[in-house]
Amino acid sequence: DAKTTQPNSMESNEEEPVHLPCNHSTISGTDYIHWYRQLPSQGPEYVIHGLTSNVNNRMASLAIAEDRKSSTLILHRATLRDAAVYYCILLPGTASKLTFGTGTRLQVTL
Amino acid sequence: GAGVSQSPRYKVAKRGQDVALRCDPISGHVSLFWYQQALGQGPEFLTYFQNEAQLDKSGLPSDRFFAERPEGSVSTLKIQRTQQEDSAVYLCASSLHRAPGEKLFFGSGTQLSVL
Repeated sequence: DAKTTQPNSMESNEEEPVHLPCNHSTISGTDYIHWYRQLPSQGPEYVIHGLTSNVNNRMASLAIAEDRKSSTLILHRATLRDAAVYYCILLPGTASKLTFGTGTRLQVTL
Repeated sequence: GAGVSQSPRYKVAKRGQDVALRCDPISGHVSLFWYQQALGQGPEFLTYFQNEAQLDKSGLPSDRFFAERPEGSVSTLKIQRTQQEDSAVYLCASSLHRAPGEKLFFGSGTQLSVL
């Protein structure tokens, strides 16, 4: 399975945008890019996913590089409730199970 | 309920004891997954059901781990003769269809501590 690389941790101020990067240089043409986040003492929560085009939903935006070797999860205005571990996961088009890495721990401060 | 429900929320077991962890998926969800999450790590896949059929059990760490979903809804993960290394959070997730890549809904997990 193709692997993703994320920074271990990031910090943001409340009310500011946050850009969470993910590198996936060995991505294949049929791999979807999924993002989940895990708040403290909770199970992971779906955030967004995409294949080639940028995607927006009520939680976040996903910007995918033209060569698809990297992507960025964008939280437009971080709040304290966005403090969580964010996982970037590649999912082959024929697969069902998610393979998690260690993710990026996002800290949000006042 | 609206989400995936897991019980118990916390379980303390003595080494060698058998435990059973329960998962109630969202009603009507076809696919069900179990994951194990050690402290400070991402969740690790254990097993996958489509309705009552266990299609993938490649992540089960040993034959002490057994999962079932006899009627295609509630699932139970059983661990026999628990060991200290089994201490972890056990997460259950479900999805509506069997379509690959469909988003998963996770429960809050069962935290198992083996003393």
